[in-house]
Amino acid sequence: DVKVTQSSRYLVKRTGEKVFLECVQDMDHENMFWYRQDPGLGLRLIYFSYDVKMKEKGDIPEGYSVSREKKERFSLILESASTNQTSMYLCASSLWDRSNSPLHFGNGTRLTVT
Amino acid sequence: LAKTTQPISMDSYEGQEVNITCSHNNIATNDYITWYQQFPSQGPRFIIQGYKTKVTNEVASLFIPADRKSSTLSLPRVSLSDTAVYYCLVGGANAGNNRKLIWGLGTSLAVNP
Repeated sequence: DVKVTQSSRYLVKRTGEKVFLECVQDMDHENMFWYRQDPGLGLRLIYFSYDVKMKEKGDIPEGYSVSREKKERFSLILESASTNQTSMYLCASSLWDRSNSPLHFGNGTRLTVT
Repeated sequence: LAKTTQPISMDSYEGQEVNITCSHNNIATNDYITWYQQFPSQGPRFIIQGYKTKVTNEVASLFIPADRKSSTLSLPRVSLSDTAVYYCLVGGANAGNNRKLIWGLGTSLAVNP
């Protein structure tokens, strides 16, 4: 079974801090995603990566960056955390060789910025 | 660009069949339709996927009409443990490696005893 592990379930950070959210998958998937989930807004894509060191902006990349130095690991970075980045962050992975490959999600990191 | 629309919430009772319909009028030729289930404090979990007609697995059925502008997730004989949020996802690979995936906002299903 595919496992996507997010390093923290809960995080509390202060405004202006640099925040790192880590995600690791164990199924050799090429694609990895970072979403944020907010009530009434559903899942919104922040960044997508289809290979090591490759990344593409999603729908809401402002205030975020990503790093993918190894295939299994995809990090989301909040350069200077702000209160409007308080949210649930979900990481996912999938195979890239099929357009219908399902996404496998981690259990999320609930980030609170005070 | 495809847009997916689904009801915000639904109520049901144990043992009933539940049908959740998703509208995706601008679905592209190479797009698949996928449904996910999400419980509180967990990530979404894959339920079922289809391209056209009907697909059935051990937990659900997915009905897709010929024009593919909508799809219906059918949950037979729901139980309390089916209380969750159900997401409709439309998308697939576009040019290059960019995967454009369009999520619905989710349908919160409450199953009552």
